[in-house]
Amino acid sequence: NAGVTQTPKFQVLKTGQSMTLQCAQDMNHEYMSWYRQDPGMGLRLIHYSVGAGITDQGEVPNGYNVSRSTTEDFPLRLLSAAPSQTSVYFCASSYGQGIKYFGPGTRLTVT
Amino acid sequence: EDKVVQSPLSLVVHEGDTVTLNCSYEVTNFRSLLWYKQEKKAPTFLFMLTSSGIEKKSGRLSSILDKKELFSILNITATQTGDSAIYLCAGASQNAGGTSYGKLTFGQGTILTVHP
Repeated sequence: NAGVTQTPKFQVLKTGQSMTLQCAQDMNHEYMSWYRQDPGMGLRLIHYSVGAGITDQGEVPNGYNVSRSTTEDFPLRLLSAAPSQTSVYFCASSYGQGIKYFGPGTRLTVT
Repeated sequence: EDKVVQSPLSLVVHEGDTVTLNCSYEVTNFRSLLWYKQEKKAPTFLFMLTSSGIEKKSGRLSSILDKKELFSILNITATQTGDSAIYLCAGASQNAGGTSYGKLTFGQGTILTVHP
C-alpha cells in the first residue's frame, strides 16, 4: 500500500492564482481530512469528508473548496490564493475513530 | 469552541532524562485523545486513549488519560536524541450517533530537544 499520497510536495503561487492540492489513499478509508499547519498553532482542520459525496467544513474553511467523488481521492482547491494561505498542508485518512494516517504534506508559499 | 492546550511549549533535556508532556482539552462530544510525534514531515501516530486511568505503553513511551480532569500526559523515559521532535496531542469528537468523523482538534505542540 502507498498509504496517503499528496502532490505536489512544494508549490509557489502568486496572489490571486488558483490551484488544486491532490490527496489520494489506497486503504479504502471512509474518512479523509485536510489540515494546515502554521508555526506555533498546531494543525487546524480545513475540510473533512465522511465518504464519497459527503463533505463538511472544519475550523478554517474560508478560501478553500473540496469535493469527494471517489473513496480514494480528496482534492483541496484554493480559489484565489492569498499570502495568509502560506502554510504546510496535510491530508489524512482513517477507518475508524481517530486519524492515524497523514500524507507527507505540501509546502505552499503565496507571494 | 473546542480547545487543546499543551505544556510546556518547548523542552530541552539531556539523553537519559525522563520527560512528561502535558495536554489539557475541552472538546465537545469528546471521544478520544491522540498523541502524535512529528519529526521533519508528517505526524506519526503514537497512542489513542479512550478510557480514563488506563496506561498505554510502547517501549519507553507511555500515556494516560484523566477524563474527569480533562487532561493527558505523555511520558518518555531514558530519552535519546532520536526522541527530538514535536509532540502533538489532539482531541477527537464524535457525533450524536457515536462515530468519529475524523475531526481532531490539535494543541500547539511541544518541541522536545534531546542533547547527547
